[in-house]
Amino acid sequence: AQSVSQHNHHVILSEAASLELGCNYSYGGTVNLFWYVQYPGQHLQLLLKYFSGDPLVKGIKGFEAEFIKSKFSFNLRKPSVQWSDTAEYFCAVDNQGGKLIFGQGTELSVKP
Amino acid sequence: GAGVSQSPSNKVTEKGKDVELRCDPISGHTALYWYRQSLGQGLEFLIYFQGNSAPDKSGLPSDRFSAERTGGSVSTLTIQRTQQEDSAVYLCASRGSGGAYEQYFGPGTRLTVT
Repeated sequence: AQSVSQHNHHVILSEAASLELGCNYSYGGTVNLFWYVQYPGQHLQLLLKYFSGDPLVKGIKGFEAEFIKSKFSFNLRKPSVQWSDTAEYFCAVDNQGGKLIFGQGTELSVKP
Repeated sequence: GAGVSQSPSNKVTEKGKDVELRCDPISGHTALYWYRQSLGQGLEFLIYFQGNSAPDKSGLPSDRFSAERTGGSVSTLTIQRTQQEDSAVYLCASRGSGGAYEQYFGPGTRLTVT
């Protein structure tokens, strides 16, 4: 069965620090990959997505992610975090239009 | 344009009662999904509707859970004889067609079973 694993449960950073959140998935076929973000008190929003093409994808608010097929990974990065990035981040995978399988989520706390 | 809407936003019910949760997808979206978000289980898929095809019910945790989608638009998730472990936030998402794979989520319904 498909599964998604996020390496970090809770990450605490100071403003301006760099961020990398790990995500690995298990699925042998073609997949679409996503990062969603849930800000406190808000609903899930799409941060970025990968369907095909350039494995380095850029999303909103300065986030980017790199798809490394050989490692089944889709890590999220941001060079310099802000206090407003405090949120929970979810990696997800689907097999082209079907249900999303989510990772456990990573709670990011950014200290001002 | 309008996003996915869900009602009610909060629902408190007594154990053993039935509840209905409603989802209005984005207009024109052909696919509709239900997920559940709880502390112990994270985000779990429940059921998926795609056009007129038979729904994918593989995520429903028990036969107390059911869902329907009327007229290819509004969906209702019904939980019969609610149990305390059903307490969670129930999320609805919809997706367009033509290769657009991202799902757009609603604000959720927080269900508390007492």
